[in-house]
Amino acid sequence: SAVISQKPSRDICQRGTSLTIQCQVDSQVTMMFWYRQQPGQSLTLIATANQGSEATYESGFVIDKFPISRPNLTFSTLTVSNMSPEDSSIYLCSVEYLGVGANTEAFFGQGTRLTVV
Amino acid sequence: RKEVEQDPGPFNVPEGATVAFNCTYSNSASQSFFWYRQDCRKEPKLLMSVYSSGNEDGRFTAQLNRASQYISLLIRDSKLSDSATYLCVVVEGNFNKFYFGSGTKLNVKP
Repeated sequence: SAVISQKPSRDICQRGTSLTIQCQVDSQVTMMFWYRQQPGQSLTLIATANQGSEATYESGFVIDKFPISRPNLTFSTLTVSNMSPEDSSIYLCSVEYLGVGANTEAFFGQGTRLTVV
Repeated sequence: RKEVEQDPGPFNVPEGATVAFNCTYSNSASQSFFWYRQDCRKEPKLLMSVYSSGNEDGRFTAQLNRASQYISLLIRDSKLSDSATYLCVVVEGNFNKFYFGSGTKLNVKP
């Protein structure tokens, strides 16, 4: 398993500003993932953060809005840029490990609860 | 069509009851299946994997039906502490991409 530290745990931000969320893992991982979870909704994958290359974004998410850094194998940041109230959500970082039975299991940071006013 | 679909509930049950959730998935090539538990204002945490042969862990039993493309979670002798949202997760093999259901909310009442 992995211990993932994510911060900030919550923030209230003004529209038009940007917030950078940090994710630190206690071991080296090849890929880190950023998800968004809106109230009462499922987790939606924003992008996959690869060390040494640009992040891979899912449909509906773009680098200008959600720039990602991955400077090493234990750390990543997600920035929510030029925020609007629609960006209010929980943002989660995640890593995947091989578990019992060779299934890949996902582990999550504690999440960042973002409110844009 | 969503990759993973769940009944959102809520399921309101008394302590000691048996409750079952189902989840359907659309991609017949999906390779791994999980149930995650998410408490209010917390991150999802792995509850159990779902194997083709079924999987039991104490009061929890998970089963997979590949022919009908659904997985199930059975909770016996429900406890107050079982109150949470249960997320069905399906992994598609080629890129180990995780797809999450929207979750089924369980409320266990005294």
